[in-house]
Amino acid sequence: KAGVTQTPRYLIKTRGQQVTLSCSPISGHRSVSWYQQTPGQGLQFLFEYFSETQRNKGNFPGRFSGRQFSNSRSEMNVSTLELGDSALYLCASSLGEGTEKLFFGSGTQLSVL
Amino acid sequence: GEDVEQSLFLSVREGDSSVINCTYTDSSSTYLYWYKQEPGAGLQLLTYIFSNMDMKQDQRLTVLLNKKDKHLSLRIADTQTGDSAIYFCAEWDYKLSFGAGTTVTVRA
Repeated sequence: KAGVTQTPRYLIKTRGQQVTLSCSPISGHRSVSWYQQTPGQGLQFLFEYFSETQRNKGNFPGRFSGRQFSNSRSEMNVSTLELGDSALYLCASSLGEGTEKLFFGSGTQLSVL
Repeated sequence: GEDVEQSLFLSVREGDSSVINCTYTDSSSTYLYWYKQEPGAGLQLLTYIFSNMDMKQDQRLTVLLNKKDKHLSLRIADTQTGDSAIYFCAEWDYKLSFGAGTTVTVRA
């Protein structure tokens, strides 16, 4: 069974640009969550999508958004990039049924210059 | 469930046991997890325990839970060089709340 796939692996952007990251969950998993990892703040929850609907949201500004498609693949978008958005963005998939085991992808390393 | 705390560093000799400690704050029933992160990689789920359990063993890994003190530990038996990584404990409350991570260094 294939694991969680995130693309691209690395991204370099400049301030003010926008970026879209992609995540393909494990087959059969309906929930996709996104986390941001930085040296200063550690791992922080961005949002979770289940059956194409945002089910939970963390404390991030509206510049961070996401969506989920009918095949459970998810994208997250960051608009008007700031230097502080440089981070490893991790996607996790799970069945979404409450007894949660979250499986993470390798992440997308975003650098904002 | 926002305050999960871990010690930051652990150095252990190859072949010895490693014990990584964590405290959490959520008093409701929940799942508690241990993840491993190697350089340049994502998070690997190692094991998890439900908060009504005291202990869980999985091959070289033993998780101990002290509910009264809200203390969670991960013991790695016969630690190998491949165990060098950052270990995160996390608690579930509609999302994962992570500790800062414990960097484990295995020395020969």
